[in-house]
Amino acid sequence: GAVVSQHPSRVICKSGTSVKIECRSLDFQATTMFWYRQFPKQSLMLMATSNEGSKATYEQGVEKDKFLINHASLTLSTLTVTSAHPEDSSFYICSARDGLGSSTDTQYFGPGTRLTVL
Amino acid sequence: QKEVEQDPGPLSVPEGAIVSLNCTYSNSAFQYFMWYRQYSRKGPELLMYTYSSGNKEDGRFTAQVDKSSKYISLFIRDSQPSDSATYLCAMSATNAGNMLTFGGGTRLMVKP
Repeated sequence: GAVVSQHPSRVICKSGTSVKIECRSLDFQATTMFWYRQFPKQSLMLMATSNEGSKATYEQGVEKDKFLINHASLTLSTLTVTSAHPEDSSFYICSARDGLGSSTDTQYFGPGTRLTVL
Repeated sequence: QKEVEQDPGPLSVPEGAIVSLNCTYSNSAFQYFMWYRQYSRKGPELLMYTYSSGNKEDGRFTAQVDKSSKYISLFIRDSQPSDSATYLCAMSATNAGNMLTFGGGTRLMVKP
């Protein structure tokens, strides 16, 4: 199956700093990538949809100025958590769509990035 | 009420048992149904993908969709300790490549 990687897998940072998380589709091109966050023992909550070459679409309640998303190429999307605070500590997971919007498309998920803000 | 409901478990079964995992949903527009397996501190892995009502089988896994009842199931035969994970159902009205609505996940423990 298709492979999606994330880097870093874990990051610990001080409050007020910014953290960048990379999501790469390794063996396919992804025009659309999604960013989720997951709190312990909870399900995935969609944060934003990232389309290559255009601005991301954020879900209601997600601050676009805090969670900056860039999808500069067909294989790379980045999420930058700006001025991180302890409440931003979470598991961030990306997924990549392996098609162009047909009924056979599916999403493949990355392994996740655990962010801890001290 | 959540759009997709899933019993959080944990569900504990002995090795070799048949496992039944279920989700109910309220949005009749959902047509694409997925089951993901997530090991602790890992990303979800796609297990099964079905469209509309019906059954789909893949090895030890069988997915069932009953749109009339808004109910989907995942059956695992001959369960193994390596099946111990959290199982997430996910749904979409358009296709599996678009925005997914997830259930809360069921934690499964298969004991040797």
